[in-house]
Amino acid sequence: AQSVTQLGSHVSVSEGALVLLRCNYSSSVPPYLFWYVQYPNQGLQLLLKYTSAATLVKGINGFEAEFKKSETSFHLTKPSAHMSDAAEYFCAVTENTGGFKTIFGAGTRLFVKA
Amino acid sequence: GAGVSQSPRYKVAKRGQDVALRCDPISGHVSLFWYQQALGQGPEFLTYFQNEAQLDKSGLPSDRFFAERPEGSVSTLKIQRTQQEDSAVYLCASSLGWVQETQYFGPGTRLLVL
Repeated sequence: AQSVTQLGSHVSVSEGALVLLRCNYSSSVPPYLFWYVQYPNQGLQLLLKYTSAATLVKGINGFEAEFKKSETSFHLTKPSAHMSDAAEYFCAVTENTGGFKTIFGAGTRLFVKA
Repeated sequence: GAGVSQSPRYKVAKRGQDVALRCDPISGHVSLFWYQQALGQGPEFLTYFQNEAQLDKSGLPSDRFFAERPEGSVSTLKIQRTQQEDSAVYLCASSLGWVQETQYFGPGTRLLVL
């Protein structure tokens, strides 16, 4: 059965610093992996996704993530944090078995300090 | 174009009441998902439709929860005899239909059961 673990429920960085949000997954078959962002009082929106093409995936707002099969990880990074990046970030996995069940992690809230 | 819309945005129910939550997906989207998001948690999968067919309802927590999408567009999630533990945000998402496709989320319905 698939599962997602996000390490750290809260991450705080200074403006301009590197952002690293960790995600590890468990899947019995090659997965599809997603990062979604939820800004305050807004719905979830897709940041980026891995669908078995390039292992380094670039998304919106300067975010990127690298799929590492050997480590079962899909960590999200951004070289330089902006104040506007403060939000909740969710990692999600869907198994490529014909089913559509998507499992989300518990989320990581990112705080950006001026 | 219009995104996914949900109504009502907020619902307060007395314990034991029945509630109905509506989701209007993006026009032409084949797949429709319902999720339950408790405070401080990630979305939890409830059920999935492909057109009018409910292909996966493994996440529905009890037989008090029922979802339908009779004409393959609008969907309704019904909760009978609401309990306090049903209090959560109920999210609807739609996608074009392939498992790797992006899910587009609505703003959610916040349900509070007193």
